[in-house]
Amino acid sequence: EAGVTQSPTHLIKTRGQQATLRCSPISGHTSVYWYQQALGLGLQFLLWYDEGEERNRGNFPPRFSGRQFPNYSSELNVNALELEDSALYLCASSPDENYGYTFGSGTRLTVV
Amino acid sequence: AQRVTQPEKLLSVFKGAPVELKCNYSYSGSPELFWYVQYSRQRLQLLLRHISRESIKGFTADLNKGETSFHLKKPFAQEEDSAMYYCALRTSGTYKYIFGTGTRLKVLA
Repeated sequence: EAGVTQSPTHLIKTRGQQATLRCSPISGHTSVYWYQQALGLGLQFLLWYDEGEERNRGNFPPRFSGRQFPNYSSELNVNALELEDSALYLCASSPDENYGYTFGSGTRLTVV
Repeated sequence: AQRVTQPEKLLSVFKGAPVELKCNYSYSGSPELFWYVQYSRQRLQLLLRHISRESIKGFTADLNKGETSFHLKKPFAQEEDSAMYYCALRTSGTYKYIFGTGTRLKVLA
């Protein structure tokens, strides 16, 4: 069974540009979660999508947005990139609330 | 405010020595606690959940509501236990997890 897959692995963007990150959950998982892992800050909750709807978002500005497609894959969009957006972005899926997450390997975004 | 604290950034122990990775949480409701582990060059993965009361790879963790702690323990550390460990809290009624900043465990030969 394929795990959670994320693309691209690495992404380099210039300040002010937009970045699009992609995630495919494990087959059968309808929920996708996005986290930002910045150096020294641990994992910060970004967004939760379930059944195509945004269910919850963390304390991030509106330029962080995303969507979930009918096949449950998801995109994270970051507009007007700032240097401090440089981080590892992790996607996770889960079969239910009590099971815990299965994480992807992440997309490392570097803003220069 | 909901918070997870892992006070140690780095913990070094010798092989065969006991290990305790500390985790304290702040939450007024009924918490669900998890430990995640990230081995070198591998993705972050679930280690154990407090609700299942399981022992995984020799690790156990007991939820102490009085002390608001969920420390991860192993009686005899192995070199392959060297990794980054994250404690996570899921608050009731949400699917959002709050992670600690992690503790890097180094098991020395």
